[in-house]
Amino acid sequence: DAGVTQSPTHLIKTRGQQVTLRCSPKSGHDTVSWYQQALGQGPQFIFQYYEEEERQRGNFPDRFSGHQFPNYSSELNVNALLLGDSALYLCASSPLSGTGDEQYFGPGTRLTVT
Amino acid sequence: GENVEQHPSTLSVQEGDSAVIKCTYSDSASNYFPWYKQELGKGPQLIIDIRSNVGEKKDQRIAVTLNKTAKHFSLHITETQPEDSAVYFCAAPPGGGGSNYKLTFGKGTLLTVNP
Repeated sequence: DAGVTQSPTHLIKTRGQQVTLRCSPKSGHDTVSWYQQALGQGPQFIFQYYEEEERQRGNFPDRFSGHQFPNYSSELNVNALLLGDSALYLCASSPLSGTGDEQYFGPGTRLTVT
Repeated sequence: GENVEQHPSTLSVQEGDSAVIKCTYSDSASNYFPWYKQELGKGPQLIIDIRSNVGEKKDQRIAVTLNKTAKHFSLHITETQPEDSAVYFCAAPPGGGGSNYKLTFGKGTLLTVNP
């Protein structure tokens, strides 16, 4: 049973560019959340998707947007990249709604903005 | 919003000793408290969690205790082994129901178990 998978593993972008990160949730999970983890810090909640809609959002600007597909996979898009967006981006999935709210993380995508 | 403080930031123990990591939270309505272990180059791994209707939960060598009155919870690892070396994070969601997905994490504790 595959866990949460994310792609790509690493990414290097230039300031001002746009980036799309992808996540496939664990089998049997329908809720996906995205987190940003700066070096030496704990993860920070970006937003959560359920039934293809953004349900909750953390303190992140509109440059951060997302999407969830009918198969529950998700994308995180970041526009107008800043140097400060360099971080590990983590996707977490949760079991089918109503059966649990535990979050299981993927390995992350390391984004470097130069 | 929720504020989570975690101590200590680093902890070094000898193999076989116990390790304790403590967290405090600010929202008295929070009802779910997970602990994650993050090894170098990997995503956080859920190792144990506790809900507000119990005071203690144990799973083999790890246990979590919760004091709702004082708004703090602790991770206890007994008989530590070198493979326990990692960064450990506590987390808590805001209260008010339906928001357990929006976790606020502590800053992490780097645990080193010396052989």
